[in-house]
Amino acid sequence: QSVLTQPPSVSGAPGQRVTISCTGTRSNIGAQYDVHWYQQLPGTAPKLLIYGNNNRPSGVPDRFSGSKSGTSASLAISGLQAEDEADYYCQSYDTSLSAVVFGGGTKVTVL
Amino acid sequence: QVQLQASGPGLVKPSETLSLICNVSGGSIGNYYWSWIRQPPGKGLEWIGFIHYRGSTNYNPSLKSRVTISIDMSKNQFSLNLSSVTAADTAVYYCARAMPTWYFHLWGRGTLVTVSS
Repeated sequence: QSVLTQPPSVSGAPGQRVTISCTGTRSNIGAQYDVHWYQQLPGTAPKLLIYGNNNRPSGVPDRFSGSKSGTSASLAISGLQAEDEADYYCQSYDTSLSAVVFGGGTKVTVL
Repeated sequence: QVQLQASGPGLVKPSETLSLICNVSGGSIGNYYWSWIRQPPGKGLEWIGFIHYRGSTNYNPSLKSRVTISIDMSKNQFSLNLSSVTAADTAVYYCARAMPTWYFHLWGRGTLVTVSS
């Protein structure tokens, strides 16, 4: 059971917009700790996708966007492409656990 | 361009110590935090711990009693020791460069470690 809760899977047709939720508590996301997102393509290492809730590293397409409100955060992928099929993980810090925590991951399928 | 590469034995016996090294190439190991993260086969990510280039550490409380992370500036590498391993420690182990606000902006390719007799 992960500290941050994500849906196991989401799917969408090419060109559509999908969102992935990341639900936490008052000891992590709700405690004003930033949320970060990673993309893991099959058989590869995770790659930083969004940092500091809504910032994209250089090279990440602007189709990817992040937001945070209260004890939850979301990753949105607009204009879904076949190459976006991957697992996506949210991550934050938990003050009660004194630990970096991850969500359980969400598999995005492009129909 | 900075690259990270984890290496070490792919097979460790139960109750023994898992030891991995992360070699940092293309840049200095100074001025950053460095971290180990693992992923059991088919499962999610678990943070193991951080080390600052000056040597201070921060470990996941769930693993703290068994984990040691150290750094060797002269070799531009940092290492992980995980003692008293069990099958539950079987995972792909990633080394990563971290920022002070606790996110991982550069990852190595990962190395699979299997715990089995």
